[in-house]
Amino acid sequence: GESVGLHLPTLSVQEGDNSIINCAYSNSASDYFIWYKQESGKGPQFIIDIRSNMDKRQGQRVTVLLNKTVKHLSLQIAATQPGDSAVYFCAETRNQGGKLIFGQGTELSVKP
Amino acid sequence: GAVVSQHPSWVICKSGTSVKIECRSLDFQATTMFWYRQFPKQSLMLMATSNEGSKATYEQGVEKDKFLINHASLTLSTLTVTSAHPEDSSFYICSANRPGYRGEKLFFGSGTQLSVL
Repeated sequence: GESVGLHLPTLSVQEGDNSIINCAYSNSASDYFIWYKQESGKGPQFIIDIRSNMDKRQGQRVTVLLNKTVKHLSLQIAATQPGDSAVYFCAETRNQGGKLIFGQGTELSVKP
Repeated sequence: GAVVSQHPSWVICKSGTSVKIECRSLDFQATTMFWYRQFPKQSLMLMATSNEGSKATYEQGVEKDKFLINHASLTLSTLTVTSAHPEDSSFYICSANRPGYRGEKLFFGSGTQLSVL
């Protein structure tokens, strides 16, 4: 289903700690998932993606985990930095490049 | 990398006027573009899918006569908010699909903040 208009949950972490941001997606038929970072007043910025035939993918300082059984996605950020402070959204789609359905989002705040 | 340009980045208008927002793919041809709106502290809500040379496909609950979408070329889609009212004030974001591109295939514009007085 579509993302509903709920207010964003927040996550506050200390600089240097690891962050874990979670997302529950809605459509069991979705086969491609993306994590985006959005800073205030800007469009979403691609972080990392994962296909449904994988359960883990790593990038630079970020790891995405996919659990299709419970329709759960997580983003792990290692050694979180103040520049990581932003809102993070997961998004799902049935085919890569098709319309994206965004999750609720989480506001990450990194304390120096 | 591929770039999507959105213009204007912000606009203030009077209630009852119409506002046009442009979304351009700068270095690729986009047969499909998407329009989202986002209220403060909320997620992006898909409004419509814009297809080059054909009518846009609107999501449930989005008024097609209110939000006119035109995708007249492979590099340009426009969203016109007609007879805007204060409740239309929002952040509007477009994205473009780059077919055949390896890796990330959807590219987002920088958004347009619309404020209706």
